[in-house]
This record gives sequence, structure tokens and C-alpha cells, in this order.
Amino acid sequence: GAVVSQHPSRVICKSGTSVKIECRSLDFQATTMFWYRQFPKQSLMLMATSNEGSKATYEQGVEKDKFLINHASLTLSTLTVASAHPEDSSFYICSAGAKGQWGTDTQYFGPGTRLTVL
Amino acid sequence: AQSVTQLGSHVSVSEGALVLLRCNYSSSVPPYLFWYVQYPNQGLQLLLKYTSAATLVKGINGFEAEFKKSETSFHLTKPSAHMSDAAEYFCAVSASNDYKLSFGAGTTVTVRA
Repeated sequence: GAVVSQHPSRVICKSGTSVKIECRSLDFQATTMFWYRQFPKQSLMLMATSNEGSKATYEQGVEKDKFLINHASLTLSTLTVASAHPEDSSFYICSAGAKGQWGTDTQYFGPGTRLTVL
Repeated sequence: AQSVTQLGSHVSVSEGALVLLRCNYSSSVPPYLFWYVQYPNQGLQLLLKYTSAATLVKGINGFEAEFKKSETSFHLTKPSAHMSDAAEYFCAVSASNDYKLSFGAGTTVTVRA
């Protein structure tokens, strides 16, 4: 249980195009989803917290007009990188909050999406 | 606010040897503590979590961690390393019942045959 998927797993695009990444909780409902960015050999940086039916909460320094987040249902959140540029190239990981096997709130992570902007 | 510090960015062990990964936390409220593992080009997999119940937490793949409040530590151990344990390990902390995680910088584990 508690499986999170991401699509696509890898995307290569030209500078200036927009890219949409989907995050789905497959076997549970997630009222809260998170989007992270990870640079090579570095830790995860939280970009935003996404709550179903409401606006996302962005971390300081993250451009909300650049990284558009939609959490339309309890099982789907999307991250759109608007007008992507080479500096946006990174590994993007989502997670979904659920009651874990220990009976408390736990984040379950998707497999990540590798974005390369040429 | 919560934060974690992972001591040692890289740990190398021989196959069959003890694996010890160190994590110290800082939290203004009772913390929830986590260890995650990440294999190359993959997301994070939860190894174990401290929930304020038992201080010694057993996780998957033979890993366990001990919560020591007096030392503000949550070190991860495995008695005998396998080649498949080679990966990146992240310690993370959240406030009780708050989903938001703060991650450490990560520790890369390599296992020598």
C-alpha cells in the first residue's frame, strides 16, 4: 500500500516550453502533497505544499508563477514548470501524506521526474 | 522550527560489517524522526519512523534506529551490510503530526566486497 506514481519519469524539452509533471497516490487519498527539487548529490529542497482544493503554499524563494501547482483531487497533484530554462533542469520528486503503517502521518514519495531543458 | 544534521557525507563499509549512520536533530516541539533511502534516479523509500512510542525503532531491510532525547540523536544501524545497501540515506524531522519534513544533507553508503 501507499504507492505514489509520477509521470513522466524523464522529460527533455527545449528552452521556453512548459512541462507538466503528474503525481498520483494510487491506493490512498492524500489531502496533502509536496513537491521537492533535488540537485545532483544534494538533499531534497521543499518547493511547495499542495492541499486538495486550495492554493499551494510555496517555500521562500520559489517562484509561484514559474512553478504552477494544482491539486484538483485527493489523488492527483500536478506541477507545471512554465517557460522552462536550462537552470530549471533538475530531479523533481513529489510525496503524498497518508496514515502510515505506524498509524501516524507519513509522507510517501514518488519515483521522481528528471527534467532536462536544452 | 526543526532541522537535522547528518554527520558524515560518505560512509564506506565492508560487506558483512556494521553500518552506522549518524543523525542529530533540533526541534522546538516533540519531533517525529524518519530515515529514508534513495537509490540512483529513484524517489525516497521510508526505512523507519520514530513516533514517540518505542525509542528503538525497527524498520525494513534489517535497519533500526534509536531515539535518544538526551543526545538529540536518531542514529541508523544495520548489523551486517549487504551490497544492496549501497545508496543515499536521508534523515528527516517533522513536528508531531505535521507532514512537513526537513531533510538532512544525506549520507552516501558504499559497500565493499
